[in-house]
Amino acid sequence: QVQLKESGPGLMQPSETLSLTCTVSGFSLTSNGVGWVRQPLGKGLVWMGTIWAGGSTNYNSAVQSRLSISRDTSKSQVFLKMNSLQPEDTGTYYCARLSRYGYTYGYYFDYWGQGVMVTVSS
Amino acid sequence: DIQMTQSPASLSASLGETVTIECRASEDIYNGLAWYQQKPGKSPQLLIYNANSLHTGVPSRFSGSGSGTQYSLKINSLQSEDVASYFCQQYYNYPNTFGAGTKLELK
Repeated sequence: QVQLKESGPGLMQPSETLSLTCTVSGFSLTSNGVGWVRQPLGKGLVWMGTIWAGGSTNYNSAVQSRLSISRDTSKSQVFLKMNSLQPEDTGTYYCARLSRYGYTYGYYFDYWGQGVMVTVSS
Repeated sequence: DIQMTQSPASLSASLGETVTIECRASEDIYNGLAWYQQKPGKSPQLLIYNANSLHTGVPSRFSGSGSGTQYSLKINSLQSEDVASYFCQQYYNYPNTFGAGTKLELK
């Protein structure tokens, strides 16, 4: 079955670079895109960026200058790197699979990882 | 960016009741609308996609409707396991944007 699992450090210092890994199973990264979504504690969801099945990427303009998403298809892994961390980057980071069954314009998230909590604090 | 206005922010209902949550987009999103359920401490789970299509394994008491800028999620015969937060998401255009969420509790 489709599974995604995030991993990475839980505590970061301001100005550091965050590195997260999303390991997927049950599908191929060359068939489905994967997105990253952040959720500050007790708040809503914010799309951060996507790596498409073909390998291209899209980023939310709010974090575009600090964010990089890449992948290793042989290991079924997607990577998020975000530099210049600030306390407002604190939250739970989710990776999720993209799908668009029966729709032309865009993609929804059909399967999500469990999330990884990241705290940015000195 | 397309703004998604979700209402109500919180909702209290009794077991067996029918509940409706609404989402309004700032422009036409052509049915590019998904609903997610998030239970406390868990990740979001897809309920509805393309405004009205039920995701695999989701109970039939959940349904979605709407078009243009107005969409709704209906839960028939509320069950205790439906206590959760619910989020809408538009994926017609980038950046994909989410509603602020509706927290559903039992009365």
